[in-house]
Amino acid sequence: AQKVTQAQTEISVVEKEDVTLDCVYETRDTTYYLFWYKQPPSGELVFLIRRNSFDEQNEISGRYSWNFQKSTSSFNFTITASQVVDSAVYFCALSEAGNFNKFYFGSGTKLNVKP
Amino acid sequence: GAVVSQHPSWVICKSGTSVKIECRSLDFQATTMFWYRQFPKQSLMLMATSNEGSKATYEQGVEKDKFLINHASLTLSTLTVTSAHPEDSSFYICSARDGRLGGNTIYFGEGSWLTVV
Repeated sequence: AQKVTQAQTEISVVEKEDVTLDCVYETRDTTYYLFWYKQPPSGELVFLIRRNSFDEQNEISGRYSWNFQKSTSSFNFTITASQVVDSAVYFCALSEAGNFNKFYFGSGTKLNVKP
Repeated sequence: GAVVSQHPSWVICKSGTSVKIECRSLDFQATTMFWYRQFPKQSLMLMATSNEGSKATYEQGVEKDKFLINHASLTLSTLTVTSAHPEDSSFYICSARDGRLGGNTIYFGEGSWLTVV
């Protein structure tokens, strides 16, 4: 079974619109980490956030915000007032207590922000 | 700046030849590194765990004889794609854990694009 599901394959928005990228995960561990990475066309992974399973507080960083809800096993990512530079593929990932170094990535969501 | 570096960033090789990709931790020692593969428009899939001084641990379905991993020092792991074929063309990316000061931060390299022609 897939551990991380990103149901949205591709999203297109117009600049300044808000956009939410969905992430649903599956794990039997009570201790785990969740991550979001941005992958521009050049390929490198840009770290955005790490959340541990015991911290359900939502987080805001500039135009970025994350909503972690254990009840629904979701860790959604919202970009407010999107910009063209936000265009990239975004990956949600999970690592579990058995091996925190091993990442399970979702299939990614390609975000296109049009001017 | 990057704390995990990969080289080369881009490589084109002929079918049947072997190609080596390096992954270096620049500011810390990494007893364990990880290799991922990403096919076009797909997700990153873990291929293997590289262990310093011992054999790599491969994920199910990954051919260990085709993807040779050597972790000879605490700052370097290499992935060699042997007898490469066009279907091996992919984006390969490594990661390493910085465990200094009791931390647990994973850093990813910049990735290496392999094209087999």
